[in-house]
Amino acid sequence: EAGVTQFPSHSVIEKGQTVTLRCDPISGHDNLYWYRRVMGKEIKFLLHFVKESKQDESGMPNNRFLAERTGGTYSTLKVQPAELEDSGVYFCASSRRSFFDGNYGYTFGSGTRLTVV
Amino acid sequence: QKEVEQDPGPLSVPEGAIVSLNCTYSNSAFQYFMWYRQYSRKGPELLMYTYSSGNKEDGRFTAQVDKSSKYISLFIRDSQPSDSATYLCAMSGHTGFQKLVFGTGTRLLVSP
Repeated sequence: EAGVTQFPSHSVIEKGQTVTLRCDPISGHDNLYWYRRVMGKEIKFLLHFVKESKQDESGMPNNRFLAERTGGTYSTLKVQPAELEDSGVYFCASSRRSFFDGNYGYTFGSGTRLTVV
Repeated sequence: QKEVEQDPGPLSVPEGAIVSLNCTYSNSAFQYFMWYRQYSRKGPELLMYTYSSGNKEDGRFTAQVDKSSKYISLFIRDSQPSDSATYLCAMSGHTGFQKLVFGTGTRLLVSP
């Protein structure tokens, strides 16, 4: 099966601009997650979709970040307006189930490296 | 204080060495413990996971969890240059959803 696809792989934007990141999960995976790694820090949870519904968005840093998953397929993460501290690598992951069932199926994409200058 | 602490390294070893990677954590609610491997410019890839305490072995890899000490380990036997990567520990509580809390990752370099 195809993996989790993210694009762009790299984006450089100026402070104050808008950027939209896209994630295509593995087909049939209802659960989609966004994580972020800021330089020198650990990977941190942003939010979790179950199909098109936001199950948990406790990690979203502020209201400049907007995640959507229309139709329960691909997801977008928009940052508007971007700030310098938003620079980092944004990872998307997907899984078939939302609970541990012994067949842990949580697959990450390669990430989008966002640089805000 | 971070929920999960992990030494960032780098850890440099010669080929064939036994590697020990460790994490400590503070949240006693964590029940699932995972090790991910991440190569440069790639996403994390799950190596092993363990539920609650105990050991788990998979080929050259052994994962250990000591919940009483809030300490987890990953051992790599007969390390190979291809094992050179960043190793991330991750944890999750016993809830219905797989929200992961990661360590910062340890960079491992295995020299031929």
